Amino acid sequence: GAVVSQHPSRVICKSGTSVKIECRSLDFQATTMFWYRQFPKQSLMLMATSNEGSKATYEQGVEKDKFLINHASLTLSTLTVTSAHPEDSSFYICSGAWGTDTQYFGPGTRLTVL
Amino acid sequence: DAKTTQPPSMDCAEGRAANLPCNHSTISGNEYVYWYRQIHSQGPQYIIHGLKNNETNEMASLIITEDRKSSTLILPHATLRDTAVYYCIVRGSQGNLIFGKGTKLSVKP
Repeated sequence: GAVVSQHPSRVICKSGTSVKIECRSLDFQATTMFWYRQFPKQSLMLMATSNEGSKATYEQGVEKDKFLINHASLTLSTLTVTSAHPEDSSFYICSGAWGTDTQYFGPGTRLTVL
Repeated sequence: DAKTTQPPSMDCAEGRAANLPCNHSTISGNEYVYWYRQIHSQGPQYIIHGLKNNETNEMASLIITEDRKSSTLILPHATLRDTAVYYCIVRGSQGNLIFGKGTKLSVKP
């Protein structure tokens, strides 16, 4: 299957700071990238969908000003958690797809906000 | 988007076939059934997908009933490394995947 990487794999930050997570498709071009969040012992929840060169579409209840998504190229999307607070601590996972083809997921980023 | 129903957990003996069922009675004609699995603290791994016909790849087989209201994922010779949460998903009209709670498969020696 296709490979998606995420960086960093884990990050610890202080409350009030911003954190950027990168998602890269390594061996395919992703016209669409998706960002998910997973709390302990729960399933993945879709946060937003982004198409290359367009603004992201956010799911209901996800604050677009808090979770900034940029999909500037066909191989890179970034998620910035602005003014992070302890309740933002979670496992963030991205995925990429060419059009409506199969989605391939990254390994995830563990965010801990102190 | 069609919902799916899976048993919360299943056990399987190492070396035996693991058969994971999924109900998707509201699936529409052009919606695909996808299977992913998630090993603890990792991103989901794609396994297989299908529309109408049965599918097989190096990881698993997917059997879809003729009315497409249910499907079964078959891991022919389960190993300890197949212990994971398995998600059956009907892909939404926007191409996005809506994850349910999945089936926690425990492969035991």
